[in-house]
Amino acid sequence: ETGVTQTPRHLVMGMTNKKSLKCEQHLGHNAMYWYKQSAKKPLELMFVYNFKEQTENNSVPSRFSPECPNSSHLFLHLHTLQPEDSALYLCASSQGINQPQHFGDGTRLSIL
Amino acid sequence: AQTVTQSQPEMSVQEAETVTLSCTYDTSESNYYLFWYKQPPSRQMILVIRQEAYKQQNATENRFSVNFQKAAKSFSLKISDSQLGDTAMYFCAFMKLNAGNMLTFGGGTRLMVKP
Repeated sequence: ETGVTQTPRHLVMGMTNKKSLKCEQHLGHNAMYWYKQSAKKPLELMFVYNFKEQTENNSVPSRFSPECPNSSHLFLHLHTLQPEDSALYLCASSQGINQPQHFGDGTRLSIL
Repeated sequence: AQTVTQSQPEMSVQEAETVTLSCTYDTSESNYYLFWYKQPPSRQMILVIRQEAYKQQNATENRFSVNFQKAAKSFSLKISDSQLGDTAMYFCAFMKLNAGNMLTFGGGTRLMVKP
């Protein structure tokens, strides 16, 4: 039990598909995050939510749409993705600001 | 903007020996946190150790310790008595205080522990 659960573990989709990534944290944390991990590049922060409110959007293209219905759940809605969007997408959560982030196992996304 | 540099893409160590992973960072901030995360093949990023910049004492967690040199902006990780389970990617990360919890990661070091 990692405390942060991501589904699906793997996802293959075409460029015209619409899919969603799900993240759920069981740690009672207030903040949640999406990161993108591409090969040979440092992890890139995409979005930050604090108490369900988006506090950071790190210049992410609009084909990625986050949703945070409550402090325990975070979604990343995907549509019209590009091959360069193939990556490992990691979700994380933390108790609040200045606290360590706990990560899930990630969703491996492949765009055909 | 902050940058984090890990100059060793890959390293290897014999089981039971000690290895040190390097990390340097660039910032104009005086208060911040530094982290080392471990990512084994299972993919989950696991927090190894954390250092507050205002603390002069180096953080230690069992076999893991850091050498934090604030003036030099250096934050190396020492793993003592290396174990096969330590094989993983190791990422150094920087977080500015009170700034939206944004972590800036280095490019990672792949550590292989050999039997």
